[in-house]
Amino acid sequence: AQSVTQLGSHVSVSEGALVLLRCNYSSSVPPYLFWYVQYPNQGLQLLLKYTSAATLVKGINGFEAEFKKSETSFHLTKPSAHMSDAAEYFCAVSDGLSSNTGKLIFGQGTTLQVKP
Amino acid sequence: DSGVTQTPKHLITATGQRVTLRCSPRSGDLSVYWYQQSLDQGLQFLIQYYNGEERAKGNILERFSAQQFPDLHSELNLSSLELGDSALYFCASKRTGGSEQFFGPGTRLTVL
Repeated sequence: AQSVTQLGSHVSVSEGALVLLRCNYSSSVPPYLFWYVQYPNQGLQLLLKYTSAATLVKGINGFEAEFKKSETSFHLTKPSAHMSDAAEYFCAVSDGLSSNTGKLIFGQGTTLQVKP
Repeated sequence: DSGVTQTPKHLITATGQRVTLRCSPRSGDLSVYWYQQSLDQGLQFLIQYYNGEERAKGNILERFSAQQFPDLHSELNLSSLELGDSALYFCASKRTGGSEQFFGPGTRLTVL
């Protein structure tokens, strides 16, 4: 069975500081991995995805993530936080091409607070 | 705007009642997924339909059911509602062969 663990339910950074949100996954098949962002009272927006191509993935709004198979990790980073980055972030895994469902298994989410 | 629409945006009802949530996928997307987001359970996959047929089931209660119609819109039916069913219900769609799901804005269900 697949699972995702996000370390830290709340992360607080200062504006301009590095953002690091941690995600570890468990999967018995080559996974597809995703980061989604949810702003208050909105749906989920895809930030970036890993689908077995390049291990360093660049996404929208300056975010990137690195797939590390040996560490079963897919941490999300951004060099310099903006106030507008304050939101909830979800890491998710799917079983990719090994099945034709593609259902997402989500982590518990990390709330990012950005202080001025 | 993801291109996925959900109605209604908010729904307030009483315990024991039945409600229907509606989702229209992006144009051309054959897969529709339903997820529930609650404070205690987080985001959980409920059910997937592909071109009118049920493809996968997750942690969906027997009181809940779904279907996908020939025009590809989907409905999630929740019956004998309990207080614990209060949550945000999201619909997402995916194109065949694609990897990412596009989420609608959600329906917030409040059961009083």
